[in-house]
Amino acid sequence: NAGVTQTPKFRVLKTGQSMTLLCAQDMNHEYMYWYRQDPGMGLRLIHYSVGEGTTAKGEVPDGYNVSRLKKQNFLLGLESAAPSQTSVYFCASSYIRLKAANTGELFFGEGSRLTVL
Amino acid sequence: LAKITQPISMDSYEGQEVNITCSHNNIATNDYITWYQQFPSQGPRFIIQGYKTKVTNEVASLFIPADRKSSTLSLPRVSLSDTAVYYCLGYPMNRDDKIIFGKGTRLHILP
Repeated sequence: NAGVTQTPKFRVLKTGQSMTLLCAQDMNHEYMYWYRQDPGMGLRLIHYSVGEGTTAKGEVPDGYNVSRLKKQNFLLGLESAAPSQTSVYFCASSYIRLKAANTGELFFGEGSRLTVL
Repeated sequence: LAKITQPISMDSYEGQEVNITCSHNNIATNDYITWYQQFPSQGPRFIIQGYKTKVTNEVASLFIPADRKSSTLSLPRVSLSDTAVYYCLGYPMNRDDKIIFGKGTRLHILP
């Protein structure tokens, strides 16, 4: 049982390049999230999804796009990378919170460190 | 979503009890208080969750007074390995919604 897996773990991009971060979970979770973490800023929500085929904006969505074509995967795309997007990106997933006895606990991946030069 | 305020950082010594207080004056009726712990170079992990009164598990205790405008995470007899960032969150358990983390409290345990 792998939990939440993020690919790649490290990447260096040049300004203007594009890339996609892949998040895969094997826990049959409904909800998935993408956060970014910068020094002194805590975690900030980029986009999230409450089910297959759905996505919604978080706190800092500009410059990113997401897709949830399959329930187990949540993709984060950068169409034209900028130095301000240098960060550590964390993906998380959780069970649906509308069912009793669920804490809504988020399960996180190990993070993906992205550097944009 | 509840507006959360917690100390930016705290220091303590090994073997002591550490209490981290979180303020959430505008917490909604359906919001639950949840705490996460994050070690360096790792994603956060769930510690404890509560609605009101006291909740205890093998890691920590959570105290929420009747007015629910604040909560306190209590870590008994901390060790060096408890050095981490601790996040207090408030989010509803009865509907889909975003989960906002904030900046957390950086706890540094000294020998």
